[in-house]
Amino acid sequence: AQTVTQSQPEMSVQEAETVTLSCTYDTSESDYYLFWYKQPPSRQMILVIRQEAYKQQNATENRFSVNFQKAAKSFSLKISDSQLGDAAMYFCAYRNLKTSYDKVIFGPGTSLSVIP
Amino acid sequence: ETGVTQTPRHLVMGMTNKKSLKCEQHLGHNAMYWYKQSAKKPLELMFVYSLEERVENNSVPSRFSPECPNSSHLFLHLHTLQPEDSALYLCASSPLGLAGITDTQYFGPGTRLTVL
Repeated sequence: AQTVTQSQPEMSVQEAETVTLSCTYDTSESDYYLFWYKQPPSRQMILVIRQEAYKQQNATENRFSVNFQKAAKSFSLKISDSQLGDAAMYFCAYRNLKTSYDKVIFGPGTSLSVIP
Repeated sequence: ETGVTQTPRHLVMGMTNKKSLKCEQHLGHNAMYWYKQSAKKPLELMFVYSLEERVENNSVPSRFSPECPNSSHLFLHLHTLQPEDSALYLCASSPLGLAGITDTQYFGPGTRLTVL
């Protein structure tokens, strides 16, 4: 069975600094998707970034980038120039390609605080 | 705002009550999901509807009864709940993809349920 692990329950970062959130996963599949979702205190979960496993190039979205290490099954999220609005729970998630719908497995989350 | 709405946002009910949670999306998506989010636990996928047909039921107790009357609406009917069912219940929707292609899920704000 696939699992997703986030070993950092809580992290903090100074405003304008860079922070990296860790994620590891376990799967026997060779092709899959990985995601980072953000859940602010208002509770509406939104997608931050996604990575297709067949792509070697790391995904980037503005200040957000990932370090995808397929052999190590590691998928970390780097947030550059942290802003107060980045404070949220961040969930790493995995999706295999066996279904046409999104059967996603979420990690336990990392709570990120941004210090002014 | 992701385009997925949930009502009510907060619900307090006794163990003998019957209530329903409602989710609505007008994004043209064909898959809808119910998740349970408890403190200190990863998101738990409860049910998935694909083209109005239930395709996933992850060992959810029968006191939770989903209903998907059309592709835009999803309900979760609750009866004789237990205090441990208190949690945030999240609805999500997504397009259906061909094998190997995926899109992201769009989440609603959630219903905070408290069972007394």
